[in-house]
Amino acid sequence: GAGVSQTPSNKVTEKGKYVELRCDPISGHTALYWYRQSLGQGPEFLIYFQGTGAADDSGLPNDRFFAVRPEGSVSTLKIQRTERGDSAVYLCASSFGNNEQFFGPGTRLTVL
Amino acid sequence: SQQGEEDPQALSIQEGENATMNCSYKTSINNLQWYRQNSGRGLVHLILIRSNEREKHSGRLRVTLDTSKKSSSLLITASRAADTASYFCATDVGTALIFGKGTTLSVSS
Repeated sequence: GAGVSQTPSNKVTEKGKYVELRCDPISGHTALYWYRQSLGQGPEFLIYFQGTGAADDSGLPNDRFFAVRPEGSVSTLKIQRTERGDSAVYLCASSFGNNEQFFGPGTRLTVL
Repeated sequence: SQQGEEDPQALSIQEGENATMNCSYKTSINNLQWYRQNSGRGLVHLILIRSNEREKHSGRLRVTLDTSKKSSSLLITASRAADTASYFCATDVGTALIFGKGTTLSVSS
């Protein structure tokens, strides 16, 4: 079946702008995760959804970052007033229960 | 913060040789997973080993887990050029995965 999809694959924006990154998880997966990966580093956890609710948002770096999953499927990561330090690859993953997480291809965000 | 630390940071071998990567972590875990990443994009899940398991095999992959030493190793046997990638261990401590910085493997033909 289809894997996790993320759109857009690349996003270039200017400092101070607002961006939305979308994740479409594998059908039936109840858990959805957002990670951020900077160059030369491993992915870092941002937020975890179980169903529609954010079960753990301890990884969000500050209040400019917000994520929603209104119907328990597709999720949107929203970044306000983007800064150059937000440039990274944003990865989404989904899983069924406490099993392996399946990752999407990521969105490469560049803030100029 | 990153809990896992892979060793070595980079590894270069010839096709046909075996590659061994190690991972150390700090806190108790539910399970440990290994992922492969090509060209800095999506991660591909390789293998999951639970905290009560000591060894697991999948094709040319062999993973060991020593919870007393808080370490794991990934062995890729008979490596191929297509194995060239970054490899990450990730520990599951509850909800999210915590990744190390990865080992970059280069396999030359």
